[in-house]
Amino acid sequence: DAGVTQSPTHLIKTRGQQVTLRCSPKSGHDTVSWYQQALGQGPQFIFQYYEEEERQRGNFPDRFSGHQFPNYSSELNVNALLLGDSALYLCASSLREAGVYSYEQYFGPGTRLTVT
Amino acid sequence: AQKVTQAQTEISVVEKEDVTLDCVYETRDTTYYLFWYKQPPSGELVFLIRRNSFDEQNEISGRYSWNFQKSTSSFNFTITASQVVDSAVYFCALSEAIGSGGGADGLTFGKGTHLIIQP
Repeated sequence: DAGVTQSPTHLIKTRGQQVTLRCSPKSGHDTVSWYQQALGQGPQFIFQYYEEEERQRGNFPDRFSGHQFPNYSSELNVNALLLGDSALYLCASSLREAGVYSYEQYFGPGTRLTVT
Repeated sequence: AQKVTQAQTEISVVEKEDVTLDCVYETRDTTYYLFWYKQPPSGELVFLIRRNSFDEQNEISGRYSWNFQKSTSSFNFTITASQVVDSAVYFCALSEAIGSGGGADGLTFGKGTHLIIQP
């Protein structure tokens, strides 16, 4: 049973650039959530995708955008990178299909983004 | 607005001691879900437990136990006979229910408690 996978593992970008991170959910899951975890902090919710639509969003600027594909995989895009965007970006998957939904979110290993 | 507070930033104990990690939460919803996750040095968050707001039964799983008390808005986690492998950062998290369609909102995490088990 494949767990949540994320790519790339590490990424170094320059301030002002754009970045795309990718996530494949756990087998059988249909919902993907993205989190940002700064060093020494708890993860912060960015947004959640279900049925290819953004369903909920945390307190993040529009520079953060996403997409979900028909196969449930997802991308996180960050434009105009700032030094403060340096963090571990975590993807989590869960099941939301009506009647069989689960509440547990299973996390991937994360992508470590460094902005210089 | 929902909030999770883990007042203990770091706890250090000697192996085989019992240790309790505190978690206090705030929410206006009557239906919500509480979680504990473990984050070892590798960085991947590992799901430990979920508790529904309408189920105050405490739970025990091996050396782990959880005490959920709605009256004090607390969801504490105890490790009995701690082991070096328990060393990690532990996060408590809260999620509110999504309307009537099922599923849950994004998680609100506490800042975590760094648990150090010394041999």
